[in-house]
Amino acid sequence: KNEVEQSPQNLTAQEGEFITINCSYSVGISALHWLQQHPGGGIVSLFMLSSGKKKHGRLIATINIQEKHSSLHITASHPRDSAVYICAVETGNQFYFGTGTSLTVIP
Amino acid sequence: NAGVTQTPKFQVLKTGQSMTLQCAQDMNHNSMYWYRQDPGMGLRLIYYSASEGTTDKGEVPNGYNVSRLNKREFSLRLESAAPSQTSVYFCASSEPGAHNEQFFGPGTRLTVL
Repeated sequence: KNEVEQSPQNLTAQEGEFITINCSYSVGISALHWLQQHPGGGIVSLFMLSSGKKKHGRLIATINIQEKHSSLHITASHPRDSAVYICAVETGNQFYFGTGTSLTVIP
Repeated sequence: NAGVTQTPKFQVLKTGQSMTLQCAQDMNHNSMYWYRQDPGMGLRLIYYSASEGTTDKGEVPNGYNVSRLNKREFSLRLESAAPSQTSVYFCASSEPGAHNEQFFGPGTRLTVL
């Protein structure tokens, strides 16, 4: 069973391109999280959303609760954005994670 | 602040051996978690502790035990390691509420031969 589905699995972009990563989920949630996993393996939290939209620098995250869908956008992509982006949903005390989107930004 | 620390970073075990993975956080968080990450799969929750003195099973608890030693420390024990437990293990902590952001440790890469 996959409570969280992400697309695409892999994404290659040219530097400067606008990037969108999608996340769909099938369970009721209290919040949705976007995480970034660096090539070295470390994981950091980018956003936590329960409604609407959040922006941090060149990153924008949106969520549509009715459609059970979220998107992560990266504007003016840069090679340092290359990483795996993971969507996770929070239900009570449990978290369910997508398999991640591997992004490579080419100079 | 060190955030979330894990030891060891790498470990190789033989089938049947036991070991304990250690995790500590210095952010005074109530909730702590153990996950495993396998190729092609998302992070999966093994056990979590919503507060000091409580632990609960996650999605994949079989073959593991945990101890919430105090508010700072949450350990994961493999009593009899199996090759299927070869994985990267992450500990995380968070403070439940309006901003339940998870802070992750650097991970432990475990190989069971």
